[in-house]
Amino acid sequence: DQQVKQNSPSLSVQEGRISILNCDYTNSMFDYFLWYKKYPAEGPTFLISISSIKDKNEDGRFTVFLNKSAKHLSLHIVPSQPGDSAVYFCAARAGYSGGYQKVTFGTGTKLQVIP
Amino acid sequence: DTEVTQTPKHLVMGMTNKKSLKCEQHMGHRAMYWYKQKAKKPPELMFVYSYEKLSINESVPSRFSPECPNSSLLNLHLHALQPEDSALYLCASSQGVVVNNEQFFGPGTRLTVL
Repeated sequence: DQQVKQNSPSLSVQEGRISILNCDYTNSMFDYFLWYKKYPAEGPTFLISISSIKDKNEDGRFTVFLNKSAKHLSLHIVPSQPGDSAVYFCAARAGYSGGYQKVTFGTGTKLQVIP
Repeated sequence: DTEVTQTPKHLVMGMTNKKSLKCEQHMGHRAMYWYKQKAKKPPELMFVYSYEKLSINESVPSRFSPECPNSSLLNLHLHALQPEDSALYLCASSQGVVVNNEQFFGPGTRLTVL
């Protein structure tokens, strides 16, 4: 049972344009959401996060939007750059367990930014 | 130092071998994790250590044996693995007391079981 889904396996965007990556979840207990970027042969790198008490969080070119009623979040990258080409995972946590973060990862979206 | 290191980068082993994967962090994080990632799949959680105690074992077969000798080190001992265990093994760490924070990942060990 995949509780976190990224329905677009891949996305191509022209350099300078906006990239929008989407993520849907089913578990209403998720209260903290994160986006990670992964290059080949490297571990995931944290990008941005959002708590369920917010609906938007912005950090430079990256903005995450959360729609709790729709159980949907999205990552906007503006402007997109060729170095953003990577696999993007959304991740979600169902409550703080005390001392650690147990997250469930989505299936990933491969973003290609075309120069 | 905001880095999680993993050794070796690549490992090829036979089904009768015993080997170990190592992970180290010096960020003062008190939670450490092992994940397994197959090609074109998301990372799957295997084990979580919190304050050097095993907190989560996601029903991982006993041929994988984790060990946390101290707050900076995490090992994964491998014995009698199967070819289907071939994958990228990722180690991660996070702060223990902060409610909302991210995990820092190492580069992974690419394991091939022959």
